Amino acid sequence: KNQVEQSPQSLIILEGKNCTLQCNYTVSPFSNLRWYKQDTGRGPVSLTIMTFSENTKSNGRYTATLDADTKQSSLHITASQLSDSASYICVVSGSGGYNKLIFGAGTRLAVHP
Amino acid sequence: NAGVTQTPKFRVLKTGQSMTLLCAQDMNHEYMYWYRQDPGMGLRLIHYSVGEGTTAKGEVPDGYNVSRLKKQNFLLGLESAAPSQTSVYFCASSSGPGEGTEAFFGQGTRLTVV
Repeated sequence: KNQVEQSPQSLIILEGKNCTLQCNYTVSPFSNLRWYKQDTGRGPVSLTIMTFSENTKSNGRYTATLDADTKQSSLHITASQLSDSASYICVVSGSGGYNKLIFGAGTRLAVHP
Repeated sequence: NAGVTQTPKFRVLKTGQSMTLLCAQDMNHEYMYWYRQDPGMGLRLIHYSVGEGTTAKGEVPDGYNVSRLKKQNFLLGLESAAPSQTSVYFCASSSGPGEGTEAFFGQGTRLTVV
């Protein structure tokens, strides 16, 4: 069964600290992996998209890594800011187009001053 | 630069009532999607459309109908609302089917069925 699991479910960190969110998937065949940020009451917004051949991709203070062999991805947030408080969703695309997206349940991050 | 706009943002329905959620995009995208988001679960695809006049079922289509009469609009209908349809609904659009094509989401519609 195609699944995307994220850990931890929730996380609290202090402003300025770094954190790493994890994503494990069993989707096969694999096309690409995306990380989205979802602010409370808003729709998801894309942070990164990585294909099978990409190991890492950065977007400002966000850096995503992908290990296609172990089917694991991580999202590292550097020097966190209060505005980073949100849910972060890992999404894996299988073959067959966009209707094959598998969404993780997300990690809810709270950044405290 | 509106992107993807959903109407309404909030709605409370009584069991058995019907309603239509409207999704409008101004990016000339061919692909449009309706998802539902429930606590502790990832977004699940309800229906999708690959172009004007076409629709297809997603993972959880039961109890919902859709129409894509105009390229820019994708309507989601609930003919007889049930409490199990209490959820947050998201519409999304993209220019292509995948392989790195970006998707843009609306702000969501929070629906409560009592």
